[in-house]
Amino acid sequence: NAGVTQTPKFQVLKTGQSMTLQCAQDMNHEYMSWYRQDPGMGLRLIHYSVGAGITDQGEVPNGYNVSRSTTEDFPLRLLSAAPSQTSVYFCASSYSLGHSPLHFGNGTRLTVT
Amino acid sequence: AQSVTQLDSHVSVSEGTPVLLRCNYSSSYSPSLFWYVQHPNKGLQLLLKYTSAATLVKGINGFEAEFKKSETSFHLTKPSAHMSDAAEYFCVVRMSGNQFYFGTGTSLTVIP
Repeated sequence: NAGVTQTPKFQVLKTGQSMTLQCAQDMNHEYMSWYRQDPGMGLRLIHYSVGAGITDQGEVPNGYNVSRSTTEDFPLRLLSAAPSQTSVYFCASSYSLGHSPLHFGNGTRLTVT
Repeated sequence: AQSVTQLDSHVSVSEGTPVLLRCNYSSSYSPSLFWYVQHPNKGLQLLLKYTSAATLVKGINGFEAEFKKSETSFHLTKPSAHMSDAAEYFCVVRMSGNQFYFGTGTSLTVIP
């Protein structure tokens, strides 16, 4: 059971470039989310989805887009990378109902120069 | 308002001594509560969870947490710290639906 898989693990971008961070889960979770983790700021929610075709903004959505065409996949797109987006990004998923915990991927470390 | 407060940003203990990491929450609902551990350059791993069953919850690697509704607390403990316990620990609360709230984390240092 692979759980939550994130790719790539590391990425370096130049300012203005675009890229997509991939996230896939094989647990049939309805809820998927993206967080960024910065020193001293904990984890902040970027975008989330409660099912295929449904997405919503979190705390820090600016500069990022998401889509949810399937239950399994929830890619995060950086439209025009900025140095302020240098961070570690985590994808997490859970069942929508009940008391299920979040299951995290191993993260993507992104550097924007 | 609903929030999670980890009372210590940094805790240092000597190897073999007890560990106490504190977490308080505020909620209008009966939440689910979780503790996660994050080792350097790794993802977040679930240590244990409280989901309205027994108030004393046992997790992996000898960690426990006790849910105290009257104190709105969910403190994490371990009787004897190991060097491998050095990591960042996050208290997470799940409110109704899909709302997850994170504490800001506690960095645990274990001194040999």
